[in-house]
Amino acid sequence: RKEVEQDPGPFNVPEGATVAFNCTYSNSASQSFFWYRQDCRKEPKLLMSVYSSGNEDGRFTAQLNRASQYISLLIRDSKLSDSATYLCVVNRDDMRFGAGTRLTVKP
Amino acid sequence: GAGVSQSPRYKVAKRGQDVALRCDPISGHVSLFWYQQALGQGPEFLTYFQNEAQLDKSGLPSDRFFAERPEGSVSTLKIQRTQQEDSAVYLCASSFRSNEQFFGPGTRLTVL
Repeated sequence: RKEVEQDPGPFNVPEGATVAFNCTYSNSASQSFFWYRQDCRKEPKLLMSVYSSGNEDGRFTAQLNRASQYISLLIRDSKLSDSATYLCVVNRDDMRFGAGTRLTVKP
Repeated sequence: GAGVSQSPRYKVAKRGQDVALRCDPISGHVSLFWYQQALGQGPEFLTYFQNEAQLDKSGLPSDRFFAERPEGSVSTLKIQRTQQEDSAVYLCASSFRSNEQFFGPGTRLTVL
């Protein structure tokens, strides 16, 4: 079983839709959590950190449930430019990535 | 501004050939990470340095893989006797503390 597991996708949604991604992790000693975005043939880039209290950045909301070892990302009013692969990342001393969930937003 | 750079960007190797992949982290970043990313997969952790010390190499898939960072700055990932299954994008990332990692553009290795 992989240490970080994500919905495999792909998610194909129309512009303006709300879409949610889920992620679970197996190591309860994990200390910090992130969502990264990776465009096709590009390197991953930090989208946002994830805190236990939940955090929001514009149209993006991330939540962490330590008891269930579960992380989520919600994208509201999706844009064409949101099309990418979203990687769930869990940090102990090193970063462990999920396989990613591919999102395609269509006009 | 100078980000993480990697060279070469593309490498084609014949099976059995040795390759060396270079990573120049952001100046002042203490931590440096190497990842292997196969097509359609997320990055898989290979190894981690803090300054010149290699603190974790548990992700290196075999003893053909070797990484070094002798002066705590530039790092080299060496793959000996390359095999077709080594074909992947090799990503390097650096961070100042154990938080946001900044990735380089990667080296796409193709082993024929």
